[in-house]
Amino acid sequence: DIQMTQSPSTLSASVGDRVTITCRASQSISDWLAWYQQKPGKAPKLLIYKASGLQSGVPSRFSGSGSGTEFTLTISSLQPDDVATYYCQQYSSYWTFGQGTKVEIK
Amino acid sequence: EVQLVESGGGLVQPGGSLRLSCAASGFTFSTYTMSWVRQAPGKGLEWVSYINSRSSAIYYADSVKGRFTISRDNAENSLYLQMNSLRAEDTAVYYCAKYSTSYSFDFWGQGTLVTVSS
Repeated sequence: DIQMTQSPSTLSASVGDRVTITCRASQSISDWLAWYQQKPGKAPKLLIYKASGLQSGVPSRFSGSGSGTEFTLTISSLQPDDVATYYCQQYSSYWTFGQGTKVEIK
Repeated sequence: EVQLVESGGGLVQPGGSLRLSCAASGFTFSTYTMSWVRQAPGKGLEWVSYINSRSSAIYYADSVKGRFTISRDNAENSLYLQMNSLRAEDTAVYYCAKYSTSYSFDFWGQGTLVTVSS
């Protein structure tokens, strides 16, 4: 099974800050990686597909990069609406999610 | 507008059964792969099961294999999850999710809560 490890688990930043979340796969997954945003009590929302593809309707301040085993999600200028938990997910071999990164406003 | 509406959750005793449903609208359901994903209270996301458009490819997570059965009715635009031999660790919100052409889950339902407890 492919394991996904996110860091950090919690992140506190100021409005306007550049924020980066890292996701590491236990083996190479090429670019078969997605990022989701989940707000409390809501369903997850797809942000990024295939490591760097921006899902339709998602603000351009969100971007993804990486391939192989290391990936990043970047929020270029953190906004209050971005408070949420973010999950990476691999779909190279079945489907596995990272444990999540909770983003808070400082 | 794509809509996925889950139903069928509730409180069930350990060892019991439950059938979840997901009603789809706003897209051509019969041409898309679907999945179930669950989230235990306060925990992360866990993929549960996958079914392709023609029900010819079906997969399960090891944690539910042999106990859960995924199915679909393309004529009714509906996805199902039959859950048998339920355990306390199956307690979670269960989401149905549409599998996109980019191989990720692009739309999710609002979820239905399953609680396994005596």
